Formats: sequence, structure tokens, C-alpha cells
Amino acid sequence: KNEVEQSPQNLTAQEGEFITINCSYSVGISALHWLQQHPGGGIVSLFMLSSGKKKHGRLIATINIQEKHSSLHITASHPRDSAVYICAVRNYGGATNKLIFGTGTLLAVQP
Amino acid sequence: NAGVTQTPKFRVLKTGQSMTLLCAQDMNHEYMYWYRQDPGMGLRLIHYSVGEGTTAKGEVPDGYNVSRLKKQNFLLGLESAAPSQTSVYFCASSFADVYEQYFGPGTRLTVT
Repeated sequence: KNEVEQSPQNLTAQEGEFITINCSYSVGISALHWLQQHPGGGIVSLFMLSSGKKKHGRLIATINIQEKHSSLHITASHPRDSAVYICAVRNYGGATNKLIFGTGTLLAVQP
Repeated sequence: NAGVTQTPKFRVLKTGQSMTLLCAQDMNHEYMYWYRQDPGMGLRLIHYSVGEGTTAKGEVPDGYNVSRLKKQNFLLGLESAAPSQTSVYFCASSFADVYEQYFGPGTRLTVT
């Protein structure tokens, strides 16, 4: 079993819909990252959080440390949000900011 | 600022050939990383560096070597390429241990 599991693996939404992507992990962590990868490759860090909730524009990330679960929400989705969203965790006590990555959620937002 | 850059963007090698991938960052970051990304798998750490002149093995280091002679550059070498090394390679850097990582655009390598 992977240490970081994301669901769903694939998601298709209509423009304007509220989207939720989930990440569950099985290790103790000191931080969780959400990343975005657009077609053609580039990876951008969206959030880094260790507790609670963070918001940036239409994106909201939450984490529940006790349940070992995080969600990424996109409000009023737009076709430009189409990308792969990747969850990664920093193992608590792990050396040197080594991250454990999920396999990603492929999101397609249709106009 | 250019951020993190990688050269080349694409490369095709024959089995047994060697090559070096270059990563450069202009953010004065101490930490640099090399990852590979394969279909159906999460990013996996190959090697990393915590500062100029230092390197360390990650999760999948076999078949690769690295050097960090200058703080801004992190080189990934393949001495004798194998088809199993066909992948997309990403370089990343971070200011320090617990800071977010900034990624380069990736290098798509095919070994035939």
C-alpha cells in the first residue's frame, strides 16, 4: 500500500463546479504539500500546511492531522484549472525535507 | 529571476551512452533535489544536496551520480544509460529543510 493515496485518480467537472480532491497518508508527518502539474510538465507548489486550513484565491487546502487526511478544494472551477494535482508529505523525523509523493489526480474541467 | 532551469528539455540516448543534466537556480537556495517521474508512480527522489559540495542518495540512486560544485548548480549524470532510465527528470530547490520546493520545467529522457 502506498504511504500517500489520492482520490479520485481522475476527475471530470463542468466549469463552475466545486471540486474536492482527497489525500490520505499512513505516516506521521510534519508538513503536507499540494502541487499542480500542467500538461507539458511544469510543477508548481500550491500550498504547504501542517494544520488547519489555507486559502489562495479559489483554492482551499485543509488538513486533519488526527485522521491523516487532507483535501484540496477548487471553487468556481475553470478550464484553466485542468491539471494534475499532487499531494506530498514530509515524513515526521525524516531527514532533509524528503517528500513522499502521491500519484496525482488528473482533473479536467470542461467549458 | 529565472527560478529553476533545466537543460536540456529533451534528449534521446542509446543504451550505454552517457549524459549530464544541468539544473540551475538563482534563488540562493541551499537545498537541491533530483527526481524522476514515471507513469503511474509518484515523483521519486534520486539524489539531493544540502549545500555546496555536498550530495546524498535518495530513494532511487542506482545508475546516477551527482555533483554540486557551485551552490547554484546541481548536475545529474548517467554514466551508462539504460532503457529503465527513460523518464521525466525534475530538479527542485528549497531555501532550507522545511521550506517549499521550487521545481524546474523537467527533462524528458528516452533511452533506446
